[in-house]
Amino acid sequence: AQKVTQAQTEISVVEKEDVTLDCVYETRDTTYYLFWYKQPPSGELVFLIRRNSFDEQNEISGRYSWNFQKSTSSFNFTITASQVVDSAVYFCALSEIDSNYQLIWGAGTKLIIKP
Amino acid sequence: DVKVTQSSRYLVKRTGEKVFLECVQDMDHENMFWYRQDPGLGLRLIYFSYDVKMKEKGDIPEGYSVSREKKERFSLILESASTNQTSMYLCASSLGSTNTEAFFGQGTRLTVV
Repeated sequence: AQKVTQAQTEISVVEKEDVTLDCVYETRDTTYYLFWYKQPPSGELVFLIRRNSFDEQNEISGRYSWNFQKSTSSFNFTITASQVVDSAVYFCALSEIDSNYQLIWGAGTKLIIKP
Repeated sequence: DVKVTQSSRYLVKRTGEKVFLECVQDMDHENMFWYRQDPGLGLRLIYFSYDVKMKEKGDIPEGYSVSREKKERFSLILESASTNQTSMYLCASSLGSTNTEAFFGQGTRLTVV
């Protein structure tokens, strides 16, 4: 079975706090890809990162960082020094090499950054 | 920049109407997708297309059909709209391999009354 779990439905923090969004996935394939997307209140999903299953290096992009751990099947996303503009719904997604182009989506985590 | 444009931001239709949702992308992408998004359910794939005139059912195709006569355009059709099809509809496109990211339109919020 393929599954992506984002257990946190909603997180609320005060601006400048660090926050981690969890993503746990299930797959039998050895080759797969993981994604994070951001959906601000405007509605359009914005691609943030893609990671393939053979690359477990953590990635940092400005205030954003991603921790990929195959041992725990997790691909967590951390925002450092959060800002109000980070308020959005964040989705984690999985694609397998033979999944016929389909992304398996988590239910999303709504992040609220309070000023 | 990749641009995926959905024809309407908001739509209100009556039960039983035939509804067309249009999506156009300008980056020559092979793949195009229609999703619906409902609170707590994430994104669910309705149909996708990997080439002109080709289509594949997603997870929830019932009550929907699609058309892809040109590479840049992918239409979602609700043959007879029902109230349970009230939702946010998202169109996306991507290059023709599984490991590339999808680019999304701004979404169409459809209300069926």
